[in-house]
Amino acid sequence: AQTVTQSQPEMSVQEAETVTLSCTYDTSESDYYLFWYKQPPSRQMILVIRQEAYKQQNATENRFSVNFQKAAKSFSLKISDSQLGDAAMYFCAYLRSPGNQFYFGTGTSLTVIP
Amino acid sequence: DGGITQSPKYLFRKEGQNVTLSCEQNLNHDAMYWYRQDPGQGLRLIYYSQIVNDFQKGDIAEGYSVSREKKESFPLTVTSAQKNPTAFYLCASSVLGGGSYNEQFFGPGTRLTVL
Repeated sequence: AQTVTQSQPEMSVQEAETVTLSCTYDTSESDYYLFWYKQPPSRQMILVIRQEAYKQQNATENRFSVNFQKAAKSFSLKISDSQLGDAAMYFCAYLRSPGNQFYFGTGTSLTVIP
Repeated sequence: DGGITQSPKYLFRKEGQNVTLSCEQNLNHDAMYWYRQDPGQGLRLIYYSQIVNDFQKGDIAEGYSVSREKKESFPLTVTSAQKNPTAFYLCASSVLGGGSYNEQFFGPGTRLTVL
């Protein structure tokens, strides 16, 4: 089974600053997809950003961007201009292609300091 | 609005009782999933189903059962055989074969507490 590792259980960032959350994964597949999900205190899981492994260009969604290093099997999330509403648990997830089973990391709890 | 509903939001059960958690989706998704979330352990897959009347065990299926009689519904039963059932349970759904658009959509979750 694939494994997804998030080595930072907790992180904090000052409001308006930038923070990077780390994620590594283990796979022998060449085609797959990676995702970052956000779980705020409401506990509703929300998709933040996705990356296709065959794309070299890093995905970007407004203040959220990823640094995808396929050879290193690394998929970090950068949050720029952090806002109070960014405070949440963030989960990295892997999806094999073809396939429908997700593998989630253990999460990183992000605190935003005003 | 399309989405996934889970009920109830909070559920209390006495030891030795079976309890069923509801999950309904109106997204016309073929695949549905049940996850268990515990502090520090992320999301662990209990069961998943890709088609009506068929489902597969995930990593922690022991003590749980499911059914998929309708495309829209995927109820989870937590049986008395589950040793430590107190947890937060999340239901999700996705399309099949959509590549990166196989993203999973999640319901709001059910918090189960065994008294």
